Amino acid sequence: QVQLQESGPGLVKPLQTLSLTCTISGGSLTSGSHYWSWIRQPAGKGLEWIGRFYTTDGTTNYSPSLKSRATISADTATNQLSLKLSSVTAADTAVYYCARDRGDGHYGPVGYWGQGILVTVS
Amino acid sequence: DIQMTQSPSSLSVSVGDRVTISCRASQSISTYVHWYQQRPGKAPNLLIYASSNLQPGVPSRFSGSGSGTDFTLTISSLQPEDFATYFCQQSYSMWTFGQGTKVEV
Repeated sequence: QVQLQESGPGLVKPLQTLSLTCTISGGSLTSGSHYWSWIRQPAGKGLEWIGRFYTTDGTTNYSPSLKSRATISADTATNQLSLKLSSVTAADTAVYYCARDRGDGHYGPVGYWGQGILVTVS
Repeated sequence: DIQMTQSPSSLSVSVGDRVTISCRASQSISTYVHWYQQRPGKAPNLLIYASSNLQPGVPSRFSGSGSGTDFTLTISSLQPEDFATYFCQQSYSMWTFGQGTKVEV
């Protein structure tokens, strides 16, 4: 069973870089054909997909609205996915989730979620 | 990028009611729409995948339909545990989520 655990600072100052790590167990960043993603949710609001890493070819894709500030990378040695979001403002305050597709193909749903980590920009 | 417009944003209902939530995509996305339920403080939980397929373990009162640009989640007879927020998601091109529908008393 794939398990995801987000970690990182819960408080980031404005204009600094938010850095989060997702530790993966029960799955691997080097096996299968999967999309490992970051998704965020401001309090009381909807879900926003930030971007993803694709295991098959190591490529990354980003939401157009965050593409200029977000960087997703995969550390295959430690089996961790990371997110860096630069020049943060209060609008970046949210619960950040690590997630993976269910594994039934390119168009499949999200099958696995981390518990989420609240990051406050203040 | 593909936008998902979900409606209504909130719904006041009673136990036993039939509930319908809609999602409209900004372009045709075949049947690559999935529906999730989210309870406060928890990650979303998959209910319906590929427009109309019930995720194993999800009660049969949940159903989904639609193709192209218009999609619907239906709860045939609302139960107390169904008071939650529901999201649609497209996976046709990258991922995008609807803004959510809060189902409340």
